[in-house]
Amino acid sequence: EAGVAQSPRYKIIEKRQSVAFWCNPISGHATLYWYQQILGQGPKLLIQFQNNGVVDDSQLPKDRFSAERLKGVDSTLKIQPAKLEDSAVYLCASSLTTGSSYNSPLHFGNGTRLTVT
Amino acid sequence: AQKVTQAQTEISVVEKEDVTLDCVYETRDTTYYLFWYKQPPSGELVFLIRRNSFDEQNEISGRYSWNFQKSTSSFNFTITASQVVDSAVYFCALSSGPSGANSKLTFGKGITLSVRP
Repeated sequence: EAGVAQSPRYKIIEKRQSVAFWCNPISGHATLYWYQQILGQGPKLLIQFQNNGVVDDSQLPKDRFSAERLKGVDSTLKIQPAKLEDSAVYLCASSLTTGSSYNSPLHFGNGTRLTVT
Repeated sequence: AQKVTQAQTEISVVEKEDVTLDCVYETRDTTYYLFWYKQPPSGELVFLIRRNSFDEQNEISGRYSWNFQKSTSSFNFTITASQVVDSAVYFCALSSGPSGANSKLTFGKGITLSVRP
């Protein structure tokens, strides 16, 4: 099966600019996650979608970050305006979660490496 | 609050040595799930194992084995006869909450394992 697809692979922008990342999860996976991984740290959840609804966005800096999954399939994460501390790898993951099906692990994409200068 | 501590930051071994990666977790939930992920230089997080809090049976998969001990809140990972291809960053992670295994993952900071030929 095809894995989680993310684009772009790398992005370099100046502070105060905007940027968007795209993720296409594994076909049929209802749950989609965006994680931020700062160099030298473990990934941190930004937002979790179940189909096209938000399950958890408690750690999303909503003043500058936004995410959507309008049709319950692919998703876009946007940063506007970017700050230097947003430099990180942004990982998208998906899992097969329907109802009480808790048996699927998260499958991660290769991530987008963002550098803010 | 959930917390995962990986006290080791970097480990370097010679090929064929055994190596143990330590993980200590904290949670107030009685039902929770523990994970190990591998992150090779390509950046993708690769799922290795998931254990639930009710199953303390140790598991072996080829050269990999895991030791789950609730009494010490630890979930350690041992690689037997390490190989150069094992070189990567290894993350321990914890999830709990209303969605069970598909709630957000709390990751440790990761352990960088280098296996020298």
